[in-house]
Amino acid sequence: AQSVTQLDSQVPVFEEAPVELRCNYSSSVSVYLFWYVQYPNQGLQLLLKYLSGSTLVKGINGFEAEFNKSQTSFHLRKPSVHISDTAEYFCAVSPLRNTDKLIFGTGTRLQVFP
Amino acid sequence: EAGVTQFPSHSVIEKGQTVTLRCDPISGHDNLYWYRRVMGKEIKFLLHFVKESKQDESGMPNNRFLAERTGGTYSTLKVQPAELEDSGVYFCASSPPFPGQAPTEAFFGQGTRLTVV
Repeated sequence: AQSVTQLDSQVPVFEEAPVELRCNYSSSVSVYLFWYVQYPNQGLQLLLKYLSGSTLVKGINGFEAEFNKSQTSFHLRKPSVHISDTAEYFCAVSPLRNTDKLIFGTGTRLQVFP
Repeated sequence: EAGVTQFPSHSVIEKGQTVTLRCDPISGHDNLYWYRRVMGKEIKFLLHFVKESKQDESGMPNNRFLAERTGGTYSTLKVQPAELEDSGVYFCASSPPFPGQAPTEAFFGQGTRLTVV
């Protein structure tokens, strides 16, 4: 079985500051990794995904994440946030041999202040 | 092109009543998923359709939940009778067929917020 842990339920940050949203996972098999974002009153939108290859993955809106297999982590980073980045962010995994469902973390609410 | 559409956006019903949620996937997407988020918790998988067939329904909570996808197009999720613990946001997602087992992006709808009182 797989599980995803997002330790920070809320992350407040000032505009133009860097941010890191943490994600750790547990799995007995290899997994694909994803970050989704939910802006207010919208559905979930894919930010980025790691399938294979380079462990540093770049996504939309200036976000990037680094896969660390030894630490089973997939932290999301942005060097300088904007007010418009205020949203809820979800880390998710999908087992390689069962790509038909996502296992999500509990989400991290990012609040960017002016 | 229209995205994944869910109806209604909000529903408030009394315990014991029946509610039917609808999801219209993106045209051509064979895969359709239902997920649920109970307040403050993680988004949990409910089930997966491939066209009109249920591929995996291991996440369905109990037999009060019935999902259908007639003709492989839109899907409905019926809760009968609804209980208080069924409250939450129900998300639908769709994706095209998987080429060579590589996952493609799942596109999510805005969700239906269900409140059982």
